[in-house]
Amino acid sequence: GAGVSQSPSNKVTEKGKDVELRCDPISGHTALYWYRQSLGQGLEFLIYFQGNSAPDKSGLPSDRFSAERTGGSVSTLTIQRTQQEDSAVYLCASSLQPDNTGELFFGEGSRLTVL
Amino acid sequence: KQEVTQIPAALSVPEGENLVLNCSFTDSAIYNLQWFRQDPGKGLTSLLLIQSSQREQTSGRLNASLDKSSGRSTLYIAASQPGDSATYLCAVRPLDSNYQLIWGAGTKLIIKP
Repeated sequence: GAGVSQSPSNKVTEKGKDVELRCDPISGHTALYWYRQSLGQGLEFLIYFQGNSAPDKSGLPSDRFSAERTGGSVSTLTIQRTQQEDSAVYLCASSLQPDNTGELFFGEGSRLTVL
Repeated sequence: KQEVTQIPAALSVPEGENLVLNCSFTDSAIYNLQWFRQDPGKGLTSLLLIQSSQREQTSGRLNASLDKSSGRSTLYIAASQPGDSATYLCAVRPLDSNYQLIWGAGTKLIIKP
């Protein structure tokens, strides 16, 4: 696609429910990142994918968070048993180069509100 | 440990002024530095990427410089416009990281008409 696409753009859920957030990176981009941004805060790294592999999952806040990537393209971030502190904007980014020089391109984010 | 600092945290200037945003980092061992803007409630838009071997990059009214030895980058905005109002973030990619970026906290810029 022309840019990184994320869905849904907004999600309101009740505490305890599961949510799935989707990221469709720029076509051909092998590197994919998930970040979280809480209100008024900086970016918090969650997970990085190179192809379908996630070399580092240490940024995931708890075992309620998981992510997968299939076909080297679309990624899904799943939050189980959501808590109010999970409320944030979840941002996805992708990069063309599989090395360390690549420029990052971000999606518009998915705003999650847990009531 | 790499740390990235952006000063000032907020800046308000009249339309038409040229201005400079600052980004400093503590460790010069970086692959590159990237400048982004973020509009309220939106994602990040990449503005400029400077590789460690480069001194500056230009795009339209924006010019970013990199002085790796002193751990500094500046983003110069010429002839500022109200549409430039946003939060500007810089991020460095350290040599000892395969993928992590280290982020500054951002400078919130307001251009007054």
